[in-house]
Amino acid sequence: RKEVEQDPGPFNVPEGATVAFNCTYSNSASQSFFWYRQDCRKEPKLLMSVYSSGNEDGRFTAQLNRASQYISLLIRDSKLSDSATYLCVVNKDDYKLSFGAGTTVTVRA
Amino acid sequence: EAQVTQNPRYLITVTGKKLTVTCSQNMNHEYMSWYRQDPGLGLRQIYYSMNVEVTDKGDVPEGYKVSRKEKRNFPLILESPSPNQTSLYFCASSSLRGTYEQYFGPGTRLTVT
Repeated sequence: RKEVEQDPGPFNVPEGATVAFNCTYSNSASQSFFWYRQDCRKEPKLLMSVYSSGNEDGRFTAQLNRASQYISLLIRDSKLSDSATYLCVVNKDDYKLSFGAGTTVTVRA
Repeated sequence: EAQVTQNPRYLITVTGKKLTVTCSQNMNHEYMSWYRQDPGLGLRQIYYSMNVEVTDKGDVPEGYKVSRKEKRNFPLILESPSPNQTSLYFCASSSLRGTYEQYFGPGTRLTVT
């Protein structure tokens, strides 16, 4: 079983729509969770950390469900610029991170 | 500007010809790491370093070497590249204090023929 699994998509949505997707992780001892954004094989960049209580950053909302071992990302009012691959990242131990293969989102005009 | 730099950005080489990909960061980060990214797979860690002269294997270390003689530099060495090492390589760094956020270099696209 992969350490981090994501639906690869693609999720094709019109501008203004809401899109949401999950990732599951296998290590129940994981303590840190992140969503990174990657544009067209460029370097990944941190989108947001995911906290136990859930957190919101503008149009982006992240949730953590420890019992079921998944995290989610919801994007409201999608913009063309949100088109990217979203990487789910979970710490394995200390400072080692496991990366999902990514979920591709395409926002169309 | 805080950044991680990698060179070269693109490299085409032949099997068996030794090469080095350089990585440098200017954020005084203790932790540095190399990843490779292949289609359909997540980033996979090759090697990492917690500080100068401290390196350790990641998930896919075979065929690679690293060194950490200075805090800012973490070169990746392929002693005898093979076609299965054709990939997109990223260097990353982070502080050992705080949130584990990793800052990535722009990537090196390597093709081994």
